[in-house]
Parts: sequence; C-alpha cells; structure tokens
Amino acid sequence: GEDVEQSLFLSVREGDSSVINCTYTDSSSTYLYWYKQEPGAGLQLLTYIFSNMDMKQDQRLTVLLNKKDKHLSLRIADTQTGDSAIYFCAEMDSGTYKYIFGTGTRLKVLA
Amino acid sequence: EAGVTQFPSHSVIEKGQTVTLRCDPISGHDNLYWYRRVMGKEIKFLLHFVKESKQDESGMPNNRFLAERTGGTYSTLKVQPAELEDSGVYFCASSQHLINSPLHFGNGTRLTVT
Repeated sequence: GEDVEQSLFLSVREGDSSVINCTYTDSSSTYLYWYKQEPGAGLQLLTYIFSNMDMKQDQRLTVLLNKKDKHLSLRIADTQTGDSAIYFCAEMDSGTYKYIFGTGTRLKVLA
Repeated sequence: EAGVTQFPSHSVIEKGQTVTLRCDPISGHDNLYWYRRVMGKEIKFLLHFVKESKQDESGMPNNRFLAERTGGTYSTLKVQPAELEDSGVYFCASSQHLINSPLHFGNGTRLTVT
C-alpha cells in the first residue's frame, strides 16, 4: 500500500536553514503537501506542489520534488523559534482521493 | 469564516465505555474526513464522507467504530466499546472540492482509554 516516510526529529539553530525530508511510494500522486502542526492545534496547510513541478518557492519556504526518487523536501530559510512544530508530508492518492500522511518531523529551533 | 471545530478537545474514558466525537466542518464543505494519530506514528485515514454518504471507509479499524453524517452537515464518530489501543488524537478535516482543494483540519480530540 501507499507509504510516506519522514525522520522523526530535527534540531537547528535560529537563523540557520532547516531541511525536512520525505519519501513516498505512490508514483501516481497528483499533489504533495506539507502541513504544520503547532502544539494543541490542528494541521495547517503550509504549501503544496503539483507532481509535474520540480520546485516551488513561497517566501522562506522552498519545496523540492524528485519524482524519480519519490523524494520531497521542505527547506525553511532563516528558521525562527516560531517555526518549532511538527511538519507532516502528505500525498494525495489520485485514484481514491485519500490523503496519506507521514509520521511527522518534530522541528526544534534552538535560540 | 469559522474553521473546522471538534468536540470535545479531550476525553478520558475507561475501557469498555462509549465515546462520541463530534466534528463541525466549514460550512459548504461537502467533503469530511476523519483521521487518527496514535502517539508518535503517522496520521492514518479512517473515512471520508461526501455530503452524507460514506465515500470511503476503508480505514475504519473494526466494527466498534461508527461514523455518521446525517444531513451532510456535522459528523459524529462513536467508539463502542472503547479499547486501550483506541487512544490517540482524532482529527477531522473538510474540503470544498475533492481535488485542487486543501484540507482544513480541526484541532483534534485527544482520546485516552484507561
């Protein structure tokens, strides 16, 4: 079945760049997403990329997609303490329209 | 616009008891999803409603779980009888369209079965 994998933890210093990685298995996914979850809150859509794109930039966020390797990454430039959260990668199964989420990566930003 | 709201935010029940979770999607959103996250693991799909119809319930763990969406508005997810492994955070999400439409999530209900 479909599977999305992420590393569980990442720690960076304030001002550095963070790179959160994700691998997925469904090559027919149309969209790939990054969601952010702050403590006690629901998931908030950060950005998404269409499967025919290689890169998408949105202010401090850069999404890179390598379809051949089924690898997605999220780069956060100039990481701030407010970026500390859990980041979930998700793909949308184009057949069932089901979202498949990863385990989430807990980003900790050190002052 | 009001976001997706879930009630209660926390629930602690004993094994064997019944719990009902409620989700109010964003008004006008036909698609409503239930997801569950067990501690430290991935967010797993439970089921998907389109209006009042169950589009996909392939993620429901077993027949102790019953979801309804009468009238195509709010949805309830009942667990009866609850087991220890049902503990986790239950998220509801809604979207206006099936594709090209992001999921809007509620804050989740944290269920603890003791």
